[in-house]
Amino acid sequence: QSALTQPASVSGSPGQSITISCTGTSSDVGGYNYVSWYQQHPGKAPKLMIYDVSNRPSGVPDRFSGSKSGNTASLTISGLQAEDEADYYCSSYTSSSTFVVFGGGTKLTVL
Amino acid sequence: QVQLQESGPGLVKPSQTLSLTCTVSGGSISSGSYYWSWIRQPAGKGLEWIGRIYTSGSTNYNPSLKSRVTISVDTSKNQFSLKLSSVTAADTAVYYCARNHLISGYADYWGQGTLVTVSS
Repeated sequence: QSALTQPASVSGSPGQSITISCTGTSSDVGGYNYVSWYQQHPGKAPKLMIYDVSNRPSGVPDRFSGSKSGNTASLTISGLQAEDEADYYCSSYTSSSTFVVFGGGTKLTVL
Repeated sequence: QVQLQESGPGLVKPSQTLSLTCTVSGGSISSGSYYWSWIRQPAGKGLEWIGRIYTSGSTNYNPSLKSRVTISVDTSKNQFSLKLSSVTAADTAVYYCARNHLISGYADYWGQGTLVTVSS
């Protein structure tokens, strides 16, 4: 059981927009603006896509955006492309003894 | 460009100790702006945070693994290491090392990952 809850899968057609949710508690997502999102292609290491809720590292397309409301963070990908098909993980700082928590991951399928 | 590279045995026998090293290049491990962590991922499953080390040597571990984990740093070699004792098949996973922002904790650089299989 992951500390953060994500949908197991989402899908969309090229050009469409999708949103992946990440639900935690006031001890993690809701309590701090320290949510990050990672993209992972099969057999590859995770890649940072969003940090501190809504900031994009250099080189990440602006099609990727992040937001947060209460205990739920969201990753939105607009203008879906085939290369966006991957697993996506959210992560948050937590005041619990684990310090860092991950979501269970969401498989994005581009139809 | 910062790069991280995991190294160590790919096969460990049950009850033995798993030992991995992460070598950092393109930047100093002694930078006070970051801490360094280990994360693992069993096949087909999600990411699990193992623990972290600051350049001061201070550590924090996942409570579920705390009794078996030791993370250390060798600043002279720009490396940090993971030891996980008394391993079982449940410890079979891809192990990643990562660099984390000191305050918010996001991991901006990751190693490529190394598969460690626990089997006799």
